[in-house]
Amino acid sequence: GQSLEQPSEVTAVEGAIVQINCTYQTSGFYGLSWYQQHDGGAPTFLSYNALDGLEETGRFSSFLSRSDSYGYLLLQELQMKDSASYFCAVAPSDKLIFGTGTRLQVFP
Amino acid sequence: DTAVSQTPKYLVTQMGNDKSIKCEQNLGHDTMYWYKQDSKKFLKIMFSYNNKELIINETVPNRFSPKSPDKAHLNLHINSLELGDSAVYFCASRAGTGRYEQYFGPGTRLTVT
Repeated sequence: GQSLEQPSEVTAVEGAIVQINCTYQTSGFYGLSWYQQHDGGAPTFLSYNALDGLEETGRFSSFLSRSDSYGYLLLQELQMKDSASYFCAVAPSDKLIFGTGTRLQVFP
Repeated sequence: DTAVSQTPKYLVTQMGNDKSIKCEQNLGHDTMYWYKQDSKKFLKIMFSYNNKELIINETVPNRFSPKSPDKAHLNLHINSLELGDSAVYFCASRAGTGRYEQYFGPGTRLTVT
């Protein structure tokens, strides 16, 4: 089967750094994506890793280790607006399989 | 200038009714999807179309029937609605080969009473 595991909730304060982990088991793999979803909103694309290593996009970075079937999203200089749910997703084929989601709460 | 749009945004209906949700994307993408997000926020793929052709059907009950009149539109028709169909339905689109990011519509919150 296919599954992705994430922590259900993470809390942090403004200005801090937080890491959201994702471990996956899939029958095929084309890459690991991360999406952000605010309450009542739609998922929005954050990053994509096809190869091992770190990808940086502004305050957000994403890491992938294919040998460990593991990745993480790193959020730096946290802001209140970063409070949202974060989903990792794998693409075993032309579709996305989403993780269970991590709710991030940022406190002042 | 909305990239992926869905109508309606909210849909409240009774069990047994038939309803449709419409989706349009103006990004020129070839592939479109329907996802269902349940009350626990679990996002699950339902269907995928590439250039009007169905390519993924994730063992969704046949009460759900997608239709793609052209590559910019993907509609979802649901027959004989059940309580368990209550969820948020998202349409999404993706550009062609080599581009993996998906663009999601605003969602349609379906409530079946």
